[in-house]
Amino acid sequence: DSGVTQTPKHLITATGQRVTLRCSPRSGDLSVYWYQQSLDQGLQFLIQYYNGEERAKGNILERFSAQQFPDLHSELNLSSLELGDSALYFCASSGGAYNEQFFGPGTRLTVL
Amino acid sequence: TQLLEQSPQFLSIQEGENLTVYCNSSSVFSSLQWYRQEPGEGPVLLVTVVTGGEVKKLKRLTFQFGDARKDSSLHITAAQTGDTGLYLCAGSLYNTDKLIFGTGTRLQVFP
Repeated sequence: DSGVTQTPKHLITATGQRVTLRCSPRSGDLSVYWYQQSLDQGLQFLIQYYNGEERAKGNILERFSAQQFPDLHSELNLSSLELGDSALYFCASSGGAYNEQFFGPGTRLTVL
Repeated sequence: TQLLEQSPQFLSIQEGENLTVYCNSSSVFSSLQWYRQEPGEGPVLLVTVVTGGEVKKLKRLTFQFGDARKDSSLHITAAQTGDTGLYLCAGSLYNTDKLIFGTGTRLQVFP
């Protein structure tokens, strides 16, 4: 158990819809990262927040947005969903000296 | 542009065999990490190497960081079925806290 929690575990929705994925980092970690992993693909970095502020952006679509709240939990919002958005979405938090990341169990999103 | 290339992409071996996975880049990293990911789960940190030339051993796994801090390798001795999974290297660039993940090596160990 990494200490990072993600909800929901599975999400099935239709094209054009909007969903929200939630992540709670490990106790004491200030950084939260979001990644997308499509079938048999590597991890694609989406966005990073540090103590409530956006810190870095990766290959995140304009239809996607995220935020980190004062209690440090984070939400990833995906809108106008397309079939190609079906993937595993992981959240990670870090706090180690070398930026080691601890991943949550992921949310499997299926867009029909 | 993919900064970290892993090879091989796929590896299928019998239990008891040895194997090496490589992680290469033209960029210099302040540290490098290795993760293992099992199907449907999040990656799990195996090790962090921080010094050029460093070698770390975890039971049957040996990790090496290149002298120039641009590459790394993971060697598994006497592979077991429990070693099956996706192995990811990840480098940390200087003056950033973003990790660059490698392309991944999918290992299948058969009994």
